[in-house]
Amino acid sequence: KQEVTQIPAALSVPEGENLVLNCSFTDSAIYNLQWFRQDPGKGLTSLLLIQSSQREQTSGRLNASLDKSSGRSTLYIAASQPGDSATYLCAVVGETSGSRLTFGEGTQLTVNP
Amino acid sequence: NAGVTQTPKFQVLKTGQSMTLQCAQDMNHNSMYWYRQDPGMGLRLIYYSASEGTTDKGEVPNGYNVSRLNKREFSLRLESAAPSQTSVYFCASSLTSGSYTGELFFGEGSRLTVL
Repeated sequence: KQEVTQIPAALSVPEGENLVLNCSFTDSAIYNLQWFRQDPGKGLTSLLLIQSSQREQTSGRLNASLDKSSGRSTLYIAASQPGDSATYLCAVVGETSGSRLTFGEGTQLTVNP
Repeated sequence: NAGVTQTPKFQVLKTGQSMTLQCAQDMNHNSMYWYRQDPGMGLRLIYYSASEGTTDKGEVPNGYNVSRLNKREFSLRLESAAPSQTSVYFCASSLTSGSYTGELFFGEGSRLTVL
């Protein structure tokens, strides 16, 4: 059974710092990995989608990398801002799971002004 | 463009009552999903539908039924609510084809309390 782990569970940084969020998964047979953002009381918003054949994806100040063989992904946030404060979740689609995603529990990020 | 719309946003039920959560998407996605989110448990898949007319159980299907009414709509029914079903429920949709699964788009959630 696929398991997705995100470390740390919570992170607090001063504004302007560059930071890295980690995601690991136990079964490397995946089709893709997605990173999401969730604001309190809201649904999830997709940030980046990395197909298994890709190494990284970039959107603005966000860069996600994927090392499928080692079961790891990182989300890099450059020049963090208070508006980046949210919970960040990663999820994978396994090769044997159809179109179902398995989610990590998320990293709660606080960026202090 | 509304994306994924869920109703109701909030609901309080008594144990044993029934209710249906409604979900509709306007992105012409073929796959739709129902998740529940609980503190310390993360997001868990209840049911999903890969296409109109098909539904499959996810990780935690007990106590729930679903209907894929058409390509746009996917409803979740609690026949006899239990306190353990107190949770936040999310509907999501995506475009899938063979081994390809596109971005998941989520609704705003339905917060259900069962007394």
